[in-house]
Amino acid sequence: AQKVTQAQTEISVVEKEDVTLDCVYETRDTTYYLFWYKQPPSGELVFLIRRNSFDEQNEISGRYSWNFQKSTSSFNFTITASQVVDSAVYFCALSAPGSGYSTLTFGKGTMLLVSP
Amino acid sequence: DGGITQSPKYLFRKEGQNVTLSCEQNLNHDAMYWYRQDPGQGLRLIYYSQIVNDFQKGDIAEGYSVSREKKESFPLTVTSAQKNPTAFYLCASSIDPGAGEFYEQYFGPGTRLTVT
Repeated sequence: AQKVTQAQTEISVVEKEDVTLDCVYETRDTTYYLFWYKQPPSGELVFLIRRNSFDEQNEISGRYSWNFQKSTSSFNFTITASQVVDSAVYFCALSAPGSGYSTLTFGKGTMLLVSP
Repeated sequence: DGGITQSPKYLFRKEGQNVTLSCEQNLNHDAMYWYRQDPGQGLRLIYYSQIVNDFQKGDIAEGYSVSREKKESFPLTVTSAQKNPTAFYLCASSIDPGAGEFYEQYFGPGTRLTVT
C-alpha cells in the first residue's frame, strides 16, 4: 500500500519569508516516483516536479527547491523569498509502479497563504 | 496550444439525474484519468484508461461510469447511484506509464458539480 502524509494543513507567511512544505511517504517498492503539484485558487493542478527513487540529488528551480531524503522517506519542498502569487494548495504525490501498472496517490495538501 | 479542456466549469443538477462531464486532450497522451476532490482533501482516483476502449476502476468508482472511444476523449458520467456527487472533478492525462515507469500527469481546469 502507498501513503503520502502532508502534516501541515495550512501555513501562513509574510512575503519574502522562506517556507518549507513537508511530505512523508510510505511504500514497500524500491522503485517509485514522487511529485509536487500546485493548485492555485482557479483549481487547475500545475505540475512542478517529478523525481524517481534512484535520484537523491536535491533540485533547485528558481525560488523552488526540493530535498529528497530516502532515509527519512521525505520529499520536502522549499520556496525561497515567498511571493503573494505562491499562495495555493500544494500536493505531494507518489507512484510506485513495482512490477505492474500503478496510479498516483496524493497527500491531502498544504494550503500556503502568503500575505503582503 | 496543447492541453486538456473540461466543460462546463460549473454544473448544477437535480438529485436523481445522470450527468456527463466532458474531458478532451490534444497532448497525444495514451493515458487519461478522472479524480474527485472534496474540500480539504487530496485527489481520489475514480477511473483511468491506458488505451482506447479500455479503462479500469480507481479507488472510488462506485456510482460513476466512463467510456474511451477516442484517444482524445474520456467523458465521465455521474449516475444517480452516486450517493454524494457534489464535488470538484479533475481530468488528467499522461504518457502511458507502462510497467515500471510513471510520468507526470497534466490536469484540466476541472468541473465543479453541485447536485441538489
